[in-house]
This record gives sequence, C-alpha cells and structure tokens, in this order.
Amino acid sequence: DQQVKQNSPSLSVQEGRISILNCDYTNSMFDYFLWYKKYPAEGPTFLISISSIKDKNEDGRFTVFLNKSAKHLSLHIVPSQPGDSAVYFCAATEVRSNYQLIWGAGTKLIIKP
Amino acid sequence: DTAVSQTPKYLVTQMGNDKSIKCEQNLGHDTMYWYKQDSKKFLKIMFSYNNKELIINETVPNRFSPKSPDKAHLNLHINSLELGDSAVYFCASSHLGRGQETQYFGPGTRLLVL
Repeated sequence: DQQVKQNSPSLSVQEGRISILNCDYTNSMFDYFLWYKKYPAEGPTFLISISSIKDKNEDGRFTVFLNKSAKHLSLHIVPSQPGDSAVYFCAATEVRSNYQLIWGAGTKLIIKP
Repeated sequence: DTAVSQTPKYLVTQMGNDKSIKCEQNLGHDTMYWYKQDSKKFLKIMFSYNNKELIINETVPNRFSPKSPDKAHLNLHINSLELGDSAVYFCASSHLGRGQETQYFGPGTRLLVL
C-alpha cells in the first residue's frame, strides 16, 4: 500500500522552461513533506520541505506547493537547468511514526539543452 | 570531511556469505538509519537508531542485524546472504524531533549477491 505516490517515472523538460514534479499521498495524518534530489551513484540530498500548515514554500528556483484537500504536492523548478537532471523523491512524515519518512518511487527529470 | 560515509561502496559476494557494511556520520546527529533501495527504486526504511537505541525496526529478515557502537556509527551485518539481498543500501542520519526530518544520506553501498 503506497502512501506516497509519484505517478510519473520520468519527465523531460527544455532548459529554461518550468519543471513540475507531482506527488500524491493517501495518509491525511502526514504533516510534513520533503523533496530530495538524487544523482546517479550518490545518496539523496535534501532539497526543500513544507509543513502542512503552509501551502507554499519557496527557495530560489524551487517552490513546493501543497494542496491538503487534494492530498497533492508539487515541486516547481524555474528556470530548469541541465544540473537539475536527477531523480526527485517526494517524502512525507507524521509525528506518530517517529518522523519516519515515507518515500515515493521517484521521478527522473531530464533537462534537454 | 564527508558528512555521512559508508564502506564499502561496492560489495560483490556469494550466496550464503556473511558481510558487513559500515556507516559513520560526523554531523553530531543523534539518529541514524538504514534504507534499502530495491529494484523498483523504492527507498524502504529498515532500521533506525536514536542514541544507540533501536527505534524503528521494519519487517526485515533477522539475517539483518544493525549494530550501533556509538552515536556516530551504525553498521549493518547481513548473515547468509541471498540473491534477493542484492540492492543499494543507504545509511542516513538526522536529529530526531519535530522539524528535524531532514536526513543526510551516505553515497550508498551497492551489494550484488551471486
């Protein structure tokens, strides 16, 4: 039973355009959401997060939007750069689980020059 | 000055062998984790230790035994390796508590069981 779903295994975007990565979740008790970025042969690295009390968090080119009623979050990257090509994981957590992260399967983002 | 390091990076071994993977973090974190990334690329938590105490122990065969000699180290020992154990194993660390869910990952250990 996947509690965090990333339904697009891959996404291809032109350099300079906006990349939008989507994530859906089923557990309404999740109260904190994170995006991680992973390059090949490396471990995931933290990118940006959002608390359930907010609907938007921005950090430079990266913005995460949270729609609690739809149980959906998205990561926007503007403008997309070649170095953004990586696998992006969505993760969620709640206090009852000892802050255990529940991960999506990842979306591979390819930025085309 | 790597934050979270794992050794070895690659491990090729025969079925039935026993092997260990080591993890060390120099971030001063109080919690460490082991994850398995399976063939479908899902990251699944295996174990979590806080201050050397086991706090998360997912359904993992008891052939897998974590050992935390101190807060900065969490090693993973695997007995009687099976083909299905082939995967990438990631160690991670963080502080425990609200707002500290950001985990820092090691580079992974690629285990291949033949």
